Amino acid sequence: GESVGLHLPTLSVQEGDNSIINCAYSNSASDYFIWYKQESGKGPQFIIDIRSNMDKRQGQRVTVLLNKTVKHLSLQIAATQPGDSAVYFCAENRGGSQGNLIFGKGTKLSVKP
Amino acid sequence: DVKVTQSSRYLVKRTGEKVFLECVQDMDHENMFWYRQDPGLGLRLIYFSYDVKMKEKGDIPEGYSVSREKKERFSLILESASTNQTSMYLCASSLSLYNSPLHFGNGTRLTVT
Repeated sequence: GESVGLHLPTLSVQEGDNSIINCAYSNSASDYFIWYKQESGKGPQFIIDIRSNMDKRQGQRVTVLLNKTVKHLSLQIAATQPGDSAVYFCAENRGGSQGNLIFGKGTKLSVKP
Repeated sequence: DVKVTQSSRYLVKRTGEKVFLECVQDMDHENMFWYRQDPGLGLRLIYFSYDVKMKEKGDIPEGYSVSREKKERFSLILESASTNQTSMYLCASSLSLYNSPLHFGNGTRLTVT
């Protein structure tokens, strides 16, 4: 039978452009958020995290923005490279320990050379 | 860098077999986790452990058990494998149980026939 939900949202960008990947979270009590990158055949790789007392955090070529008013998280990748092609997903901590992390389904980023 | 190593990349087992998935981390992390990842369902927590010999159920513990006899090693046990346990299994560790990113291994793809 047909597998349900195999098709992730896809973002296709040109090499060198900036990418923005979005994530809506569900719980207004969530106080910690993480972005992961997962390449084919590999485990999720930690990119960047942010706590709820911040609106923005920057890393190397990446920026995470947190809008608590609308419960929205975004990951911006500057000057996207072919090596950035992967599935990206966010995680929110519903509160309490890491046992309460909820992971999003992910967005597939494809970078065209 | 944190290294989380899962002993097998691929496993094929028969229905009813007892299956052991092994995970070792080298960063002296207190906390270790087992997730399964299925298309369309994202990552779901099976069990986690915050100390040697301590364990907590995650969202989907049925059909699984775990063992943490040493700090660096966390084993996932399928007491009697079933076809609906065919999945990608991911082990992770974290420094803190709060506001600390999980670091994942590269996964074990288990097929139960």
